[in-house]
This record gives sequence, C-alpha cells and structure tokens, in this order.
Amino acid sequence: KNEVEQSPQNLTAQEGEFITINCSYSVGISALHWLQQHPGGGIVSLFMLSSGKKKHGRLIATINIQEKHSSLHITASHPRDSAVYICAVRWETSGSRLTFGEGTQLTVNP
Amino acid sequence: NAGVMQNPRHLVRRRGQEARLRCSPMKGHSHVYWYRQLPEEGLKFMVYLQKENIIDESGMPKERFSAEFPKEGPSILRIQQVVRGDSAAYFCASSRMELYGYTFGSGTRLTVV
Repeated sequence: KNEVEQSPQNLTAQEGEFITINCSYSVGISALHWLQQHPGGGIVSLFMLSSGKKKHGRLIATINIQEKHSSLHITASHPRDSAVYICAVRWETSGSRLTFGEGTQLTVNP
Repeated sequence: NAGVMQNPRHLVRRRGQEARLRCSPMKGHSHVYWYRQLPEEGLKFMVYLQKENIIDESGMPKERFSAEFPKEGPSILRIQQVVRGDSAAYFCASSRMELYGYTFGSGTRLTVV
C-alpha cells in the first residue's frame, strides 16, 4: 500500500525556535509537496520538490530520494506560523493526483 | 490575477437535497482536481478533470457523486441526495499542465443537517 507518514503529529514550540517536520513515503515518487493549512482556511502550496533543497524566506524543504524522506524546516519560528503542515506526494505510477499525509499541527507560542 | 475561486465557502443542505460546489481554476489552468477532507481526517483525492474530460475518477464514491468541467464555466462537483457523512471540506486545485505545481482554492465547507 502506498503510504505517506508525517511526524510529529503535534508540535508546540516557543517563538524563535527552529522547527523540523518530517515526511516519509513508501515507494517511488515523481514529486513531493509541502502545504500549509490554517484553521478554517484554505490550503497554500509552500514547496514542490523532486530533489535537493528549496528555500523561501524562513522555510526550507529538503528531500532525500534514496531514503524516501523529506523535511520541512522553519527558522526563527513565529506565532503566525501556527498551522497544519501537510506533506503530499505524486506516486510515479499514479499520474498527477496527490496522496496526503495526516498533517502536523504546529503551535508557536509567543 | 485571481487564484482558484471556490463557491460557496459554506453550504448547508438537508439530508436528501443536492449540493453543487463550484471551482473556477486560475487563468490559464486547464487541469482541475477535487479533494475531500472529512472531519478529523486527511485530504483524499476524488477526481481529476481537464476541459470536457474526466481523466481519473478513482477516488469518487460510486453513487451520488459526479463532476464535470465544461468547455465554458467552472468545474462542478455535484452530490445528489446528500447524507450526513458527506459533511466535509471540499477543496479544488488547478494546474497549468499535468505534473506541474498546484494552486488550491479556499474550499467549500459542506454541512448536512
């Protein structure tokens, strides 16, 4: 079964801390996405990765294809970063549809 | 340059009624995906459409659900004879081409009473 697993499920941090959220998947992928969802809100696409590393502001996403693992890092976290972060993959054999992890609820306290 | 527009944002239906959810993709995007997020669950794929064609509907329930993306106008997700278990957030995403990045809409939150 093709699976996407995220850890941790919940994460609480103090403002300014460095945050890491992990994502592992079971078989080959053509791309991996990191998404952000605020309570009651829509979904924002943060990154799409197929290899290496991408950076946007305080967010960094990395992927290791051999280990089937990706990480999302947030530097100098801020309360406005509080949201659910979701990892989603496109399997090599499943066309363009996405399979999602269960999400990581991040709370950053001031 | 508006993003993906979904309407309505909130929809309340009584059991047995029909629900119609609309999605207007970003300008220049001809690929549309519908995803459902049940309460306390992750997002699940429902259907992938291009203009006038259903490409992949492997995630659609076999009965009561249908989707279309006509040549003109928005994509429509239609749920007939809604039941309480259909209560969920329904998200639409669009892309310019297959395997490109996605832009998501704000979702439609359907409540069946």
